[in-house]
Formats: sequence, structure tokens, C-alpha cells
Amino acid sequence: KNQVEQSPQSLIILEGKNCTLQCNYTVSPFSNLRWYKQDTGRGPVSLTIMTFSENTKSNGRYTATLDADTKQSSLHITASQLSDSASYICVVSGWQAGTALIFGKGTTLSVSS
Amino acid sequence: EPEVTQTPSHQVTQMGQEVILRCVPISNHLYFYWYRQILGQKVEFLVSFYNNEISEKSEIFDDQFSVERPDGSNFTLKIRSTKLEDSAMYFCASRLDRVTPGELFFGEGSRLTVL
Repeated sequence: KNQVEQSPQSLIILEGKNCTLQCNYTVSPFSNLRWYKQDTGRGPVSLTIMTFSENTKSNGRYTATLDADTKQSSLHITASQLSDSASYICVVSGWQAGTALIFGKGTTLSVSS
Repeated sequence: EPEVTQTPSHQVTQMGQEVILRCVPISNHLYFYWYRQILGQKVEFLVSFYNNEISEKSEIFDDQFSVERPDGSNFTLKIRSTKLEDSAMYFCASRLDRVTPGELFFGEGSRLTVL
């Protein structure tokens, strides 16, 4: 069964600290993996998109890594800010019908001052 | 910056009533989607739409749901007879083409509350 699992479920960090969020997936055959940021009550906003040939991609303070062999991805946030408080969702897409954008449950990040 | 817009932002309805959620995708986009997110749960795929027809739908998208693009700009989701469990945030999304991976743009969502 195609699944996307994220950990931790929630995370609290102090402003200025770094953190890493994890995503494991079983979607096969794999096409691409996306990280989205979703503020409470808002629509998801894309942070990064990676295909199987990409190992790392950065977007400002966000750096995503992908290991297609182990089917794992991480999202590293550097020098966190209060505005980083949100849900971070890992989304995986496969090549076959029925695998259009499978969403993880997300990691809820709270950044406190 | 172009964006996907959705209306209404919040709708409250009685069980059994029909609801239409509206979306205006980004103007030159060709692929359109509806997703839903029940409070506290993950985003779930409902349906994708291309060239004026459904290209893929999930098990959630049963006969109570329908989509159409009535006028070339709006993309609507209709729920014929709402149930309590239809209460959720509904997101519309669009993308320019099917080229992989392709950026997918989400609207801000329509919150549906069924009483």
C-alpha cells in the first residue's frame, strides 16, 4: 500500500534553533517528493520538489534531502523563526494511476521565543 | 502573483442540503484538483480534472460528489446531499501541465461545516 509516514508528529523548538523533520514513504514506482508548509487554516504552500535524481534542494532556510534507495526524505530548517510555526507536509507522487500526490499527516512545528 | 481563489471561505449547511464550492484556478493552468482535509487529519485526494473531464478520482469521490468547469474559468465541486462526515476543509489546486514534477498551487480552502 502506498503510504507516507512523517516524524515526529509534533515538535517544539526555540527561535533561532535548527530542526529536522523526517519522511518515509512506500510509494512505488516513485516519481517525486514535495515538502509543503501549511499554516493553520490555510492552503499548503510548496517549499521544495525533488525527483529521484535529486539528493538535496534548498529554498532559503529550508533544505530538503532525498534518498530514493531507502525511500527517506528530510526537511532541515535553519535558524528557525516564529513564522516557521506551521504544519510541514511531505507529499509523494508515483508514476502509476492512483498515486497522484499521497500526503503524509504532517509534522506540527511550534517555534517559541 | 497569480493565485488560486476559492469561495466561500466558510459555509455552514444542514445535513442533506446541496453545497457548491467554487474555485478559480490560475488562468493558464490546465489541470485542476480537489482535495479535502478533515480537521486534524491529512490532506486527501478527491478528484483531478483535465480537458473538461475527470481524469482520476478517489474512493471518497462517490456519487454524491460532482465537478464541472461551467464557464472556462470556474471549477466547482458539488456535494448533492451533505452528510455530517463531509465537514472538512476543501482545497482546490491547479497546475500548468502534466510535466513531472510540475508545481501544484493550492487555494486557501473552503471550510464546510455540516450540522
